[in-house]
Amino acid sequence: DAGVIQSPRHEVTEMGQEVTLRCKPISGHDYLFWYRQTMMRGLELLIYFNNNVPIDDSGMPEDRFSAKMPNASFSTLKIQPSEPRDSAVYFCASSFPGGRTDTQYFGPGTRLTVL
Amino acid sequence: AQKVTQAQTEISVVEKEDVTLDCVYETRDTTYYLFWYKQPPSGELVFLIRRNSFDEQNEISGRYSWNFQKSTSSFNFTITASQVVDSAVYFCALSEMTLIQGAQKLVFGQGTRLTINP
Repeated sequence: DAGVIQSPRHEVTEMGQEVTLRCKPISGHDYLFWYRQTMMRGLELLIYFNNNVPIDDSGMPEDRFSAKMPNASFSTLKIQPSEPRDSAVYFCASSFPGGRTDTQYFGPGTRLTVL
Repeated sequence: AQKVTQAQTEISVVEKEDVTLDCVYETRDTTYYLFWYKQPPSGELVFLIRRNSFDEQNEISGRYSWNFQKSTSSFNFTITASQVVDSAVYFCALSEMTLIQGAQKLVFGQGTRLTINP
């Protein structure tokens, strides 16, 4: 089975530009999570979805960040406008249905550099 | 608030040595889950193990073993006869209780960078 798929793997953009990161969860998983990893703050949960519905976006840093999940097999994380401090690795993860025993499986990440 | 502490920022050993990575957690939940993930130089996060709070049995998987002790709130990870391919950053994580049934939020430690030298 394919794992979590993220695209692009690397993104370099200039400050002020819009950035869209994409994620395809593992088929059958009904939870989807977006994380950000930086040297200073480590791994932080940004937002997560259950059955395509955003459940908790308290980790989203500011209004410049938005996430959507239009269907069970696709999610996007958008940054508009981007800033150099948004440079980080962004991970998407998904988990099986069935409660708190779920294990989150991570995608390969998108390394974002904002110049 | 829940918290995971990995006090060892970096560890460097010679191949074939045994090495233990420490993880100490804080939680008020009676039911929780602990995880270890591996992040090799290529950058992906690889799931290694999940342990629930009611199961304190140690687990062994090949050269990897885990020691869970609720009395000391620790979930330590040991690699026996380490190999160069074990070089990676290792993260310990704790599942956080939410008010919504079935939801699980992971709180990660800062990670331990393990370098195995030939």
